[in-house]
Formats: sequence, structure tokens, C-alpha cells
Amino acid sequence: DAGITQSPRHKVTETGTPVTLRCHQTENHRYMYWYRQDPGHGLRLIHYSYGVKDTDKGEVSDGYSVSRSKTEDFLLTLESATSSQTSVYFCAISDQGPGQSNEQFFGPGTRLTVL
Amino acid sequence: EDKVVQSPLSLVVHEGDTVTLNCSYEVTNFRSLLWYKQEKKAPTFLFMLTSSGIEKKSGRLSSILDKKELFSILNITATQTGDSAVYLCAVERSNDMRFGAGTRLTVKP
Repeated sequence: DAGITQSPRHKVTETGTPVTLRCHQTENHRYMYWYRQDPGHGLRLIHYSYGVKDTDKGEVSDGYSVSRSKTEDFLLTLESATSSQTSVYFCAISDQGPGQSNEQFFGPGTRLTVL
Repeated sequence: EDKVVQSPLSLVVHEGDTVTLNCSYEVTNFRSLLWYKQEKKAPTFLFMLTSSGIEKKSGRLSSILDKKELFSILNITATQTGDSAVYLCAVERSNDMRFGAGTRLTVKP
């Protein structure tokens, strides 16, 4: 795996609580992404970052916020978790941005369950 | 609305069989099409295709893109149990990547 870790790997939480997932990379790639994966939907982009403090929304950004204060870390926050946010969350990195015909490398995933 | 459709959704074969997985797409601002293999955890990159008609090959896996008919196929010859996985097709647009739902391939001994 290309130097990407996610924490925690598993989390169970209750509706209405805040949750933060962390993605850490050691590849010094400029671009970082958060996806969620649900049965029947494949991977869907939540937010991505194109540099420190530079982020943009993806296809399913409602209910999520992100922050990137350092090149190596990209945080995904659920301000008030809902059961519909139960999913497997993947972080990905790439050294060139969307539309530049480049592959993304994925982290191991975080399984989040919201009760 | 942009979409990426993979077929079949699941497939069961026996070792030694050849399989063909399909990916059709309708997206604006197409840049490239990528195939990933996902076993129990993170998707791992297989191929990236940007030009029509040029086959990419890696061992028993090969893939080709048809930009006129808007589809790609992934072929696996002489399948092995280690090929069992979900295969994801993704289409890169100018500002993001859209994934299909995946094809679950099971290879029985």
C-alpha cells in the first residue's frame, strides 16, 4: 500500500454525535480524497483537497466537512452523525489532480456504524 | 446525469475459465477510464485507459476502451481463485472520478 493510513479502522457511534476520521500519507502527494462505499453505489466522492487549506466538494458532501492543515493529513468530520452515514470510508491520494489522467492510491478504509 | 454502469453485477466461474467484465459510461468531460481490483480492503489499481482501441495488458488481465461506443471491457484469462474480488470501473472527468457499482467475481476451484 502506498503509505496511506486511516484511523480509526472501525468505529461505532450514536446518532447525533460528532465523528472525525483521519487520513495520513507519507507520499507527499498534493491531492487527497474522501470517498464512501455503500452496496450498490460503488465509491462516491465526498470531498477532496488540492493543497493545504484548499478543499472542494464532491458528489455527496452534505453532512460532511473536511480540513487539511498539513500536506500529510486530511480529516473528515461528521458534525452530527446520522444512520445514513453508516458506511465504509476510504481515503485516497494522487500526485496529480482530477482530470490529469492519474491513478489514485487508496487507504485501508474505516468502517463506521452509526446506531 | 452522468453514470457508470458495470455488468454483470456478479459472476461465478471455475478456475481456468475466461471472463469478460463490462463497463459502460455516459459522462461529460471524459478524461480516462480506470479499472481497480478490490479484495477485502482497499481498491488496487489495475489499468488506466485514455485512447480507444489500444489494449493494456498485464499477465492474464487485459483491457480495452471504445470511446465511440462509450464502454470498456476487462478480460481475465485462465482464472485462478486469487482473482476472486470486486472489480471496479471508474471514469475520470475533468474535476472528479465516478465509480461504477462493481462486478463481484467468484472463482471456484
